[in-house]
Amino acid sequence: EPEVTQTPSHQVTQMGQEVILRCVPISNHLYFYWYRQILGQKVEFLVSFYNNEISEKSEIFDDQFSVERPDGSNFTLKIRSTKLEDSAMYFCASSRDDVYEQYFGPGTRLTVT
Amino acid sequence: KNQVEQSPQSLIILEGKNCTLQCNYTVSPFSNLRWYKQDTGRGPVSLTIMTFSENTKSNGRYTATLDADTKQSSLHITASQLSDSASYICVVTVRANTGNQFYFGTGTSLTVIP
Repeated sequence: EPEVTQTPSHQVTQMGQEVILRCVPISNHLYFYWYRQILGQKVEFLVSFYNNEISEKSEIFDDQFSVERPDGSNFTLKIRSTKLEDSAMYFCASSRDDVYEQYFGPGTRLTVT
Repeated sequence: KNQVEQSPQSLIILEGKNCTLQCNYTVSPFSNLRWYKQDTGRGPVSLTIMTFSENTKSNGRYTATLDADTKQSSLHITASQLSDSASYICVVTVRANTGNQFYFGTGTSLTVIP
């Protein structure tokens, strides 16, 4: 069964550094999403992406964040100048349509020190 | 303010028993409501999606209900199994300017004991 994959599974970075989190969505899906979950807290929507552009974003998704689909398979989240409070699990998800079920990847745990 | 509240926060039940989890929301404009199962350290897995016009949807031993008038939903788990131990999350989709936004509840942590 197709699945969403994410790399790396765990990323440790120093405050102020840039990180890129990578996701490979399910191949015939058209909508892509990033979410984050701070330890012990609820999942929060960051951004949705469709047709090579941002479809919708939350208040959390400020200028520090950017997303890109650099080729036909990868979907990336870039965090510029990381802060301690960016430490969280970041989930990528994809779906065939914006109203269909979303398939989540296993997540990347980002630790900012 | 768009909010999704879930209760109880945690629940322990005996294997084989049924349970019902609750979700109340104050979001608009409502698009759909989703229930997810999230195992510790894993990504959420979709259980059901219900639109405004649907008031019941089943997926195996999981049955979700939706009352769009009172803005309440429930997830009923029948004949629980040890593998049902997980966090169950209610998510409400809101139609925004150019796409959808997704509001997550804090989840109900379910523990099924033998």
